[in-house]
Amino acid sequence: RKEVEQDPGPFNVPEGATVAFNCTYSNSASQSFFWYRQDCRKEPKLLMSVYSSGNEDGRFTAQLNRASQYISLLIRDSKLSDSATYLCVVTNTGNQFYFGTGTSLTVIP
Amino acid sequence: NAGVTQTPKFQVLKTGQSMTLQCAQDMNHNSMYWYRQDPGMGLRLIYYSASEGTTDKGEVPNGYNVSRLNKREFSLRLESAAPSQTSVYFCASTNKTRAELGATNEKLFFGSGTQLSVL
Repeated sequence: RKEVEQDPGPFNVPEGATVAFNCTYSNSASQSFFWYRQDCRKEPKLLMSVYSSGNEDGRFTAQLNRASQYISLLIRDSKLSDSATYLCVVTNTGNQFYFGTGTSLTVIP
Repeated sequence: NAGVTQTPKFQVLKTGQSMTLQCAQDMNHNSMYWYRQDPGMGLRLIYYSASEGTTDKGEVPNGYNVSRLNKREFSLRLESAAPSQTSVYFCASTNKTRAELGATNEKLFFGSGTQLSVL
């Protein structure tokens, strides 16, 4: 079973829409959680960490549900520049980062 | 500040050839990683090094060797390249040690990637 599973999409949404991505992880001992963004043919970059209490950064909101082993990312008021692949990432006790396969988002004018 | 520098950016090999991918970071990070990224597979960990002098296998280590030359540098070697190793390779580093795991402000810094084709 994969450590991290994501719906690959693609998600095609109009500008201004709200879109949500979900991710599940298999190891209940996973310690840290993140969302990374990857633009086409570029390296992944940290979008935001995910805290147990949930956290917000501008138009982006991340949630963690440890009981269900579930992470989410909500993007409000989508911009064209939000078009990218969003990667769910978790770490374990072995200092390894596990990546989901990514969810592709295209924001349409 | 260069961050993580990875070379080469592109490489074409013939089956059976060998090569080394170089990675260096100037952020004094303890942990370094090599990933490969294939369509539909996401990033998969090949090898990692939690500290200078140590290396550990990741999810897909077969066909690869690594060397943590010093704290800055972590190289990935393909001794006998195979078409199945055609991929995009990313080096990454972070400053969280094993004892500091669990902090939610860990950040992986990535190199710009190497596109490798094995014919």
